[in-house]
Amino acid sequence: EAQVTQNPRYLITVTGKKLTVTCSQNMNHEYMSWYRQDPGLGLRQIYYSMNVEVTDKGDVPEGYKVSRKEKRNFPLILESPSPNQTSLYFCASSLSTTGGRGEQYFGPGTRLTVT
Amino acid sequence: AQTVTQSQPEMSVQEAETVTLSCTYDTSESNYYLFWYKQPPSRQMILVIRQEAYKQQNATENRFSVNFQKAAKSFSLKISDSQLGDTAMYFCASTLYNDMRFGAGTRLTVKP
Repeated sequence: EAQVTQNPRYLITVTGKKLTVTCSQNMNHEYMSWYRQDPGLGLRQIYYSMNVEVTDKGDVPEGYKVSRKEKRNFPLILESPSPNQTSLYFCASSLSTTGGRGEQYFGPGTRLTVT
Repeated sequence: AQTVTQSQPEMSVQEAETVTLSCTYDTSESNYYLFWYKQPPSRQMILVIRQEAYKQQNATENRFSVNFQKAAKSFSLKISDSQLGDTAMYFCASTLYNDMRFGAGTRLTVKP
């Protein structure tokens, strides 16, 4: 089954404790992206990647890191999480080599709470 | 920079009726793409419809259609014959190349 998977689905952590949210897709997509969803703000793009070793900042990259060492994986790293990073996070991928212009397939979301 | 505005935080419609969700956007570019995504209570994001700005014809997908007014920078979504399963958050989005901009969303409730 073609899908985007994220782990963990739920995470509660404390301020300053490094964490990684994994994202993997099995559709051989070139484009992958991370978003955060907050009430009243919709989804905001954090980082995106056009292909292996090619990443770029989205709208709200501060406090986040990403890497793209393999085509299928695109982990999101919070090196020192803070309470304002409490949010619902989505990973997405797209076949389109022109980035977000194609249909994006979203993962199930990761609910992160930082206390 | 692109901005996307959805001015209706919440809407409701009776089952089998038609409802229109509004979206306006702002971009200085001429070649961009517009989307409507649906997020049901399961939180899964699902593409409803996609419109390429250089195409004048409005996109349609079964009961879903858009009214794309390029000069007015308006991209509304019409849902015909509303069904209970259409209850969800609906997000309008735009992109030029790689960056995506989403509106704040409209929560639609379909009433039996």
